[in-house]
Amino acid sequence: GDSVTQMEGPVTLSEEAFLTINCTYTATGYPSLFWYVQYPGEGLQLLLKATKADDKGSNKGFEATYRKETTSFHLEKGSVQVSDSAVYFCALPGGANNLFFGTGTRLTVIP
Amino acid sequence: EPEVTQTPSHQVTQMGQEVILRCVPISNHLYFYWYRQILGQKVEFLVSFYNNEISEKSEIFDDQFSVERPDGSNFTLKIRSTKLEDSAMYFCASSEDRKGYGYTFGSGTRLTVV
Repeated sequence: GDSVTQMEGPVTLSEEAFLTINCTYTATGYPSLFWYVQYPGEGLQLLLKATKADDKGSNKGFEATYRKETTSFHLEKGSVQVSDSAVYFCALPGGANNLFFGTGTRLTVIP
Repeated sequence: EPEVTQTPSHQVTQMGQEVILRCVPISNHLYFYWYRQILGQKVEFLVSFYNNEISEKSEIFDDQFSVERPDGSNFTLKIRSTKLEDSAMYFCASSEDRKGYGYTFGSGTRLTVV
């Protein structure tokens, strides 16, 4: 069945460092792909999405490109801030109308 | 910006007791969902609800669980006889359409079963 495999954490970076969180997917066809973020004490928020191959989703300085050749949707940010500390989830649609989430990657950014 | 509201934010209950978790989805959304996240684990789908009936449910969603939209605005998750392993963060979500577009999640209810 469809699934996502996400880079295990936790990840600790210094402020202004470059971030990559890997996500690969297994799916029939080309589903939409999502990154969700969960800040401490809050719910899941959609960070960005891409609906077809070669699309690039972007938001708040984060980017992810839907690459069908490598079945990947890696999350990147050029310069992280302390406020980016959160748990990041890769996701894709599953079943009739639900989402499959990855295991989540906890990012801690230190000043 | 419209948001999904969940109450309470934290609930502690004794094993074997019934709990009802409440959610107010975004008013023009048609699809409603419950997910849960056991501490340190992935977010898991429980159930989706459309047109006043369950449209899909996972293996987790057994006979102990039920959902209801009692009054056209609230969407509730009931656990009839809680077990220790039901301790988790429960997230409600709503969307305008299927396939993950336009999902909005609530901030969650942390359920602790003691």
